[in-house]
Amino acid sequence: KAGVTQTPRYLIKTRGQQVTLSCSPISGHRSVSWYQQTPGQGLQFLFEYFSETQRNKGNFPGRFSGRQFSNSRSEMNVSTLELGDSALYLCASSHLATGELFFGEGSRLTVL
Amino acid sequence: KNQVEQSPQSLIILEGKNCTLQCNYTVSPFSNLRWYKQDTGRGPVSLTIMTFSENTKSNGRYTATLDADTKQSSLHITASQLSDSASYICVVSPLEYGNKLVFGAGTILRVKS
Repeated sequence: KAGVTQTPRYLIKTRGQQVTLSCSPISGHRSVSWYQQTPGQGLQFLFEYFSETQRNKGNFPGRFSGRQFSNSRSEMNVSTLELGDSALYLCASSHLATGELFFGEGSRLTVL
Repeated sequence: KNQVEQSPQSLIILEGKNCTLQCNYTVSPFSNLRWYKQDTGRGPVSLTIMTFSENTKSNGRYTATLDADTKQSSLHITASQLSDSASYICVVSPLEYGNKLVFGAGTILRVKS
């Protein structure tokens, strides 16, 4: 069974640009959540989608947005990038019955 | 405010030795408490999940305990191996917030030969 796939794995952007990250969940998982991980702040919850609807949202500015498609794949977008957005962005999928999270390998974003 | 605090921040042990990592939380009520292992540059991998009514859960050489009265959990690693070198993250799921998990900062474990 394939795991959670995130693309791209690494990317470099400059301030002011925008970025889109993609996440393909484990087959059969309809819940996808996104997290930002930095050395100083640890893992922080961004948002969660279930059946194309945002079900929960963390405390991040509106520059951070996401969506989920009918096949459960999800994307997150960060607009007007700031230096502080440099982080590892992790996606996790879960089955509704168990709630156990399965994380992808992450997308490491560097903002210059 | 819901918080999860882990100690120690980092730990170095010799291969073959046992160690115990601590997690104190203020989240209440909570649905479950999870321990994850995260290798450098990789995504976290689930080790154990305990509901509020469970007080121990094992996964191979990893054993997690939970004391809901004192709001403490521990992760005990037996006969450590070099591959145990990683960050260990304690995560608590509040009862009413679904997947809006509360994460600890993690304990960085280094196992030396």
